[in-house]
Amino acid sequence: DQQVKQNSPSLSVQEGRISILNCDYTNSMFDYFLWYKKYPAEGPTFLISISSIKDKNEDGRFTVFLNKSAKHLSLHIVPSQPGDSAVYFCAASGGDNAGNMLTFGGGTRLMVKP
Amino acid sequence: DTGVSQDPRHKITKRGQNVTFRCDPISEHNRLYWYRQTLGQGPEFLTYFQNEAQLEKSRLLSDRFSAERPKGSFSTLEIQRTEQGDSAMYLCASSDYRGDEQYFGPGTRLTVT
Repeated sequence: DQQVKQNSPSLSVQEGRISILNCDYTNSMFDYFLWYKKYPAEGPTFLISISSIKDKNEDGRFTVFLNKSAKHLSLHIVPSQPGDSAVYFCAASGGDNAGNMLTFGGGTRLMVKP
Repeated sequence: DTGVSQDPRHKITKRGQNVTFRCDPISEHNRLYWYRQTLGQGPEFLTYFQNEAQLEKSRLLSDRFSAERPKGSFSTLEIQRTEQGDSAMYLCASSDYRGDEQYFGPGTRLTVT
């Protein structure tokens, strides 16, 4: 049973436009959410996180939105740049696993076209 | 600080051989995690250390897998009698005592032939 799902395996966006990556979760005990970016042959790079006590967190071009009632979070990248092309993973922690393991989605491949 | 490092970056081995990977975490981090990632999937948790104590293990970690962190600094992950299904990227991450944000190394890609 996948507790964290990224239903779009890929997304293509024009440079300068907004990229919106989505993530759904099923475990209501999750209380901390993260987005990672991964280039081929490298480990995931931490991008941005959000606690369940907030509904929005912003860092430069990256904003994460959390809708707890819908168990849904999204990552907005504005404006998108070709260097943003990578695989993006959302991850969650909390409940029995607080501070310990991260549960990851399957990833969304973002392609930003010049 | 140079971040989390892993060695080797790539390992090709024959089925049945033993392999060992090393992870050096960010120096001030006392938590260390191992994950495994297969093609097209997100990373999956294997095990976690707080200092030298191994506090949690996934059921993915069969008896052929063992991890150590003897002095609370670097960690090793050993796979005995490798099988083709062990082929994957093995990722190490570290965090501070809260464990909320984990920082990953570049990974070790294992290919079992």
